[in-house]
Amino acid sequence: AQSVTQLDSQVPVFEEAPVELRCNYSSSVSVYLFWYVQYPNQGLQLLLKYLSGSTLVKGINGFEAEFNKSQTSFHLRKPSVHISDTAEYFCAVSDGNQFYFGTGTSLTVIP
Amino acid sequence: SQTIHQWPATLVQPVGSPLSLECTVEGTSNPNLYWYRQAAGRGLQLLFYSVGIGQISSEVPQNLSASRPQDRQFILSSKKLLLSDSGFYLCAWNHRNGNTIYFGEGSWLTVV
Repeated sequence: AQSVTQLDSQVPVFEEAPVELRCNYSSSVSVYLFWYVQYPNQGLQLLLKYLSGSTLVKGINGFEAEFNKSQTSFHLRKPSVHISDTAEYFCAVSDGNQFYFGTGTSLTVIP
Repeated sequence: SQTIHQWPATLVQPVGSPLSLECTVEGTSNPNLYWYRQAAGRGLQLLFYSVGIGQISSEVPQNLSASRPQDRQFILSSKKLLLSDSGFYLCAWNHRNGNTIYFGEGSWLTVV
């Protein structure tokens, strides 16, 4: 079975500073990897995904993530955050049949 | 393009009352459909998923049930709500052999 671990439940960061949200997964098969963003009282919106090919994936709102197979990680990064990036971020993995979500990381951007 | 809608967006129900949350997907056919629950400050818990009309798989035993009366309609129900049923409920879908899941806007349920 697959599992996803988001190591940080809360990440405060100052505006215009860089940020990294960590995600590790465990799987015995090839997987697809995702990051979703959830703004308050809204559903989850796809931020980016890794299916195959280049390990560096670029998504919306200036976010990117890098797939590291040897470390089974898929960390999310942004070089300069904005107030509007304050939200909950979920990492997810799929084996092609089921989707498994992490418990989320709450990113708070401080003015 | 495909869209997913769920309603109502917000619901306040007394303990012991029934529940019906509806979800519809437009712009596709034969989707896989999902109901998730998100408790305050916690991650996503898969409640039900469906691969076709009348085909429902339950992931967590509880007093909730799901039905799929039409190809693109997924309903979450309860005959008698409990306080512990409070939470944010999310409907989601993906293509039958798709690799990405898409979510609805969510429904806030408060049981009082």
